[in-house]
Amino acid sequence: DAGVIQSPRHEVTEMGQEVTLRCKPISGHNSLFWYRQTMMRGLELLIYFNNNVPIDDSGMPEDRFSAKMPNASFSTLKIQPSEPRDSAVYFCASSPGDRAKLFFGSGTQLSVL
Amino acid sequence: QKEVEQNSGPLSVPEGAIASLNCTYSDRGSQSFFWYRQYSGKSPELIMFIYSNGDKEDGRFTAQLNKASQYVSLLIRDSQPSDSATYLCAVNSDRGSTLGRLYFGRGTQLTVWP
Repeated sequence: DAGVIQSPRHEVTEMGQEVTLRCKPISGHNSLFWYRQTMMRGLELLIYFNNNVPIDDSGMPEDRFSAKMPNASFSTLKIQPSEPRDSAVYFCASSPGDRAKLFFGSGTQLSVL
Repeated sequence: QKEVEQNSGPLSVPEGAIASLNCTYSDRGSQSFFWYRQYSGKSPELIMFIYSNGDKEDGRFTAQLNKASQYVSLLIRDSQPSDSATYLCAVNSDRGSTLGRLYFGRGTQLTVWP
């Protein structure tokens, strides 16, 4: 299995630009999670989906953040407009639903200048 | 607010020693407990999980859970330099609207020196 696949691995953009992060979960996993990791705040859950339906988006920091999961094999996290404080590593993770065991992708290192 | 607390470290042990990593959590309803290892610049990797009070052993790793004390720990026996990483404790309540949601601690940085 290829594991959770995220793209791009690195993204450098200017403040105000739209950023789209992509994720392909492990086939057969029914839950998908977006996390953000910074030195200051550690790993923070932004949103998670179960069977393609958003279950908890209370971690989404602002309306500038949105996430979609149009099908079981693809999800996006969009930031519009981006700000320097959004700079972080964004992880996507999927779970087979077995007691929340998460499998993480390699992450996207986002830098907003 | 569900809190998961870990000593940030760094924890430094010599090769061959036992490394002990500790974690406390605030939600008494928590049912599932996980340890993730994260190497610098990499993604978290699940290494242990435990659901019941007591000890669970897997190779050099032992997870210990005490729900009454709201405490979970990870012991690494015969520590190796390759164990040097940040260890993240994660907790799930397995109920209601938080079903499936993991709360992570900030992690403990472990260094094993030769």
